[in-house]
Amino acid sequence: DVKVTQSSRYLVKRTGEKVFLECVQDMDHENMFWYRQDPGLGLRLIYFSYDVKMKEKGDIPEGYSVSREKKERFSLILESASTNQTSMYLCASSSPGSVPRLHEQYFGPGTRLTVT
Amino acid sequence: DAKTTQPNSMESNEEEPVHLPCNHSTISGTDYIHWYRQLPSQGPEYVIHGLTSNVNNRMASLAIAEDRKSSTLILHRATLRDAAVYYCILRSQTSYDKVIFGPGTSLSVIP
Repeated sequence: DVKVTQSSRYLVKRTGEKVFLECVQDMDHENMFWYRQDPGLGLRLIYFSYDVKMKEKGDIPEGYSVSREKKERFSLILESASTNQTSMYLCASSSPGSVPRLHEQYFGPGTRLTVT
Repeated sequence: DAKTTQPNSMESNEEEPVHLPCNHSTISGTDYIHWYRQLPSQGPEYVIHGLTSNVNNRMASLAIAEDRKSSTLILHRATLRDAAVYYCILRSQTSYDKVIFGPGTSLSVIP
């Protein structure tokens, strides 16, 4: 079974702190994604990566950066956390291919981040 | 990217069929229709997908309108474990595996 793990289920940080959220997948997937989920807004894509050291902005990249030094690991960084970044953060991975079924995204359990 | 619209919430009685609708009037010819669901306190999981023909798998069935402007996810016998938010998503083949999630439909199952 594919496994996507996230470093913490719950995290509380103070405004202005630097925050690292880590995601690890064990299926050798090329693509990895970071989303945030807020009530009434569904999931919104922050950043994604289709290869090591490659990254693409999603729909809401402002205030975030990412790092992909190894294929299995994708980190989301909040350089200076703010209260409006309080949210559920979800990591996902997938394998590219010509058949859409192969694009199935596997999600981690999420990290609920509270910034006070 | 083409968007989808779904009802905010639906209710079903346990062991009855559930039909979850999705409108996607601006779908392009190469967009696949995918469904994911998110159980409480979990990340989303894949349910089913299709292009033009109806599809069945162990979890659900997907009925796609002939003009592809709408589709329906069918749970044949709802169980309490099916209570979740269901997302209807269009998968573009022209972008790098980007998935656009809308607010989804929150399904409640009544015992």
